Amino acid sequence: DGGITQSPKYLFRKEGQNVTLSCEQNLNHDAMYWYRQDPGQGLRLIYYSQIVNDFQKGDIAEGYSVSREKKESFPLTVTSAQKNPTAFYLCASTPGQRQETQYFGPGTRLLVL
Amino acid sequence: AQSVSQHNHHVILSEAASLELGCNYSYGGTVNLFWYVQYPGQHLQLLLKYFSGDPLVKGIKGFEAEFIKSKFSFNLRKPSVQWSDTAEYFCAVAGGYQKVTFGTGTKLQVIP
Repeated sequence: DGGITQSPKYLFRKEGQNVTLSCEQNLNHDAMYWYRQDPGQGLRLIYYSQIVNDFQKGDIAEGYSVSREKKESFPLTVTSAQKNPTAFYLCASTPGQRQETQYFGPGTRLLVL
Repeated sequence: AQSVSQHNHHVILSEAASLELGCNYSYGGTVNLFWYVQYPGQHLQLLLKYFSGDPLVKGIKGFEAEFIKSKFSFNLRKPSVQWSDTAEYFCAVAGGYQKVTFGTGTKLQVIP
């Protein structure tokens, strides 16, 4: 089955620690996205990538970093500069353009110890 | 810049009641409109979408939405809800070649 996988399902971060969330897709989609979901705030775009080796900041990129070395992979690093990292993180992809239907992964819940 | 407003944050209905969730957007040009649904413990998934053509679009599980351009609205409807419709519903808009913007979501709770 084609789809998007995210790991881990739960992740705990200690003060001053960087953590990396994994996102892999086997849909052969060009574009990938990272969203942050907080209660009552909907989904907010962190970063997106429309092609390998290229990515753009979204609305709330501060304290996060990404890479896109392979078409199927788009890992997100939550750095120590992100002061409020506790949230549900969703990875998504589209075949090409940003305006198309998005396919989402199951999400990673990040908690701060 | 485009924006999306969902007026209902939490809706509680009894089974068989009719549902209408409001969604308004702001963008002056051509838009693509979406409703996504997040069932408890499941992936966020597409419920229905409007790109062009008939402004009344039908989606999965008996849901439909009507695009009213003059009102900048894309309300979601279902004539008779079931307990299995309990979920969080997100309206989203993509204007021109801009990225998709999501609304804040509406939590629907259906009481058996």
